[in-house]
Amino acid sequence: GQSLEQPSEVTAVEGAIVQINCTYQTSGFYGLSWYQQHDGGAPTFLSYNALDGLEETGRFSSFLSRSDSYGYLLLQELQMKDSASYFCAWGGGNKLTFGGGTRVLVKP
Amino acid sequence: NAGVTQTPKFRVLKTGQSMTLLCAQDMNHEYMYWYRQDPGMGLRLIHYSVGEGTTAKGEVPDGYNVSRLKKQNFLLGLESAAPSQTSVYFCASSYGRESTDTQYFGPGTRLTVL
Repeated sequence: GQSLEQPSEVTAVEGAIVQINCTYQTSGFYGLSWYQQHDGGAPTFLSYNALDGLEETGRFSSFLSRSDSYGYLLLQELQMKDSASYFCAWGGGNKLTFGGGTRVLVKP
Repeated sequence: NAGVTQTPKFRVLKTGQSMTLLCAQDMNHEYMYWYRQDPGMGLRLIHYSVGEGTTAKGEVPDGYNVSRLKKQNFLLGLESAAPSQTSVYFCASSYGRESTDTQYFGPGTRLTVL
């Protein structure tokens, strides 16, 4: 089967850097996506890695290592509005399988 | 563009009642998905569709049925609701050129089964 593991919660202060790790066990892996979800809201797409390496989008970066079955999302210059849940998702077979999510709490 | 819309936003059912959740998208996407999200958990795929007239089972399909009669609409049905189906239901759509295409989510339907 497929599974993705990520920490349940991370707390940090404004301006700090947070790294959310995601390890996976899958077959037929196509790529790793990251989604953000604020409380009461819908998930929204953040980034996608099909190949090994780092993808940067503003303050957010995502990394993938296929050989290690591992990826991470890096949140830099944390802002209060970054308090949300972050989900990694494995793609394959016309669908995504989501991890359980990491709740990020940003404190002043 | 409205994107992905869901109807209704909230609903309370009694055990054994039936209902249909409607998802509509105006982005001409081929792929559509239904997920459920329980408190503090990730999204679990119920059913999905890769095109008009096609449907397929996801991770947790039992107790649900779906139909995709029109490309822009994807319906999720509960024939006999159970308390275990209390959840937030999200619909999503994507272009479908690749399995990891960006998925666009609707605002969700909060369903309570008493």
